[in-house]
Amino acid sequence: AQSVAQPEDQVNVAEGNPLTVKCTYSVSGNPYLFWYVQYPNRGLQFLLKYITGDNLVKGSYGFEAEFNKSQTSFHLKKPSALVSDSALYFCAVRGNTGGFKTIFGAGTRLFVKA
Amino acid sequence: DARVTQTPRHKVTEMGQEVTMRCQPILGHNTVFWYRQTMMQGLELLAYFRNRAPLDDSGMPKDRFSAEMPDATLATLKIQPSEPRDSAVYFCASGWPVGYNEQFFGPGTRLTVL
Repeated sequence: AQSVAQPEDQVNVAEGNPLTVKCTYSVSGNPYLFWYVQYPNRGLQFLLKYITGDNLVKGSYGFEAEFNKSQTSFHLKKPSALVSDSALYFCAVRGNTGGFKTIFGAGTRLFVKA
Repeated sequence: DARVTQTPRHKVTEMGQEVTMRCQPILGHNTVFWYRQTMMQGLELLAYFRNRAPLDDSGMPKDRFSAEMPDATLATLKIQPSEPRDSAVYFCASGWPVGYNEQFFGPGTRLTVL
């Protein structure tokens, strides 16, 4: 069965500092991995995805994520956080063996302090 | 700028009443998802469709929930009868049929059942 874990409910970081939001996954076969962001009273917005190829994936708003197969992780990173990055971040995984079901993590709330 | 639209954005109703939520997927997308988001349970997949046919509705309480796609431009989620525990934000998302493509979320319908 597919699963995804976001071990931190909340991450606090000062503006200008690097940020990391953690994600680990479990899936049969090769994974398709996604990060989404949700701002208050809005739907989720796609940030980036890993399908195959380079383990470092770059996405919107300066975010990037590193796929690590041996650790089954897909951590979201940004070199310099902005106050406007404060939001709820979801990691999601889908296996590549049929169906379209994507499993979302519980979400990590990011607070960036000025 | 193509977007998923959902109506109504807010709905307050009394227990026992029927609730219908509507979604217009992005033109050309033939995969449609319904999610429910609550503080306690996070983001839950209720059902999803491909080419208007239901592929998986295992996340949906069958006794009171029903989801349909009368045509390619409209998806509906119906609750009858509604209960206070159904209070949540309901999101519709659409995407292309290939599994490694991201989903595009609507703004959600905030449902309150009194």
